[in-house]
Amino acid sequence: AQSVTQLDSQVPVFEEAPVELRCNYSSSVSVYLFWYVQYPNQGLQLLLKYLSGSTLVKGINGFEAEFNKSQTSFHLRKPSVHISDTAEYFCAVSSNFGNEKLTFGTGTRLTIIP
Amino acid sequence: DTGVSQNPRHKITKRGQNVTFRCDPISEHNRLYWYRQTLGQGPEFLTYFQNEAQLEKSRLLSDRFSAERPKGSFSTLEIQRTEQGDSAMYLCASSLAGVSARTFFGQGTRLTVV
Repeated sequence: AQSVTQLDSQVPVFEEAPVELRCNYSSSVSVYLFWYVQYPNQGLQLLLKYLSGSTLVKGINGFEAEFNKSQTSFHLRKPSVHISDTAEYFCAVSSNFGNEKLTFGTGTRLTIIP
Repeated sequence: DTGVSQNPRHKITKRGQNVTFRCDPISEHNRLYWYRQTLGQGPEFLTYFQNEAQLEKSRLLSDRFSAERPKGSFSTLEIQRTEQGDSAMYLCASSLAGVSARTFFGQGTRLTVV
């Protein structure tokens, strides 16, 4: 079984400031890691994913995340945020058994302050 | 690619009534997933299909819930004798098989049981 912890339920950030959204996971097996974004009244969209290889993963809209196996973390970062980044962000894991079902964290609401 | 389509988008029902939701996945996707999302929580896995076969069901899926995917195309999720605790957003997602395949989510059906 896997679990995901998103430590911050809400993160307010000034426009053009950097941001880090934290994600820690727990699993007894190897996992794949994902970040999804949910804009108001829209479906979940994939930001980025880590399957293997380089631990630094770049995604859409200038976001990146780093997989740290020893700390079981997959934190999401952006060097300079924009008003349009206001959304709910979900970290998720799936096992590498092949069914690709996702276990999500509780989400972090990112609010950009003009 | 018209995306994952869910109908209806909103449903209000009286406690004890039956409801049925429909999901139309991306046409070539052989995997289809149902998730439930309550306020302040991340999506929780309910069940998934590969083609027409239902391969896994979560313990969250009580006997009042049933899902089908006839002919491996669209899927329906039925809830019998609805309870107030069933109020949630029901999300459908689809993908091709394989760990590198991307999962696409629909906008969801919001169920309110009064």
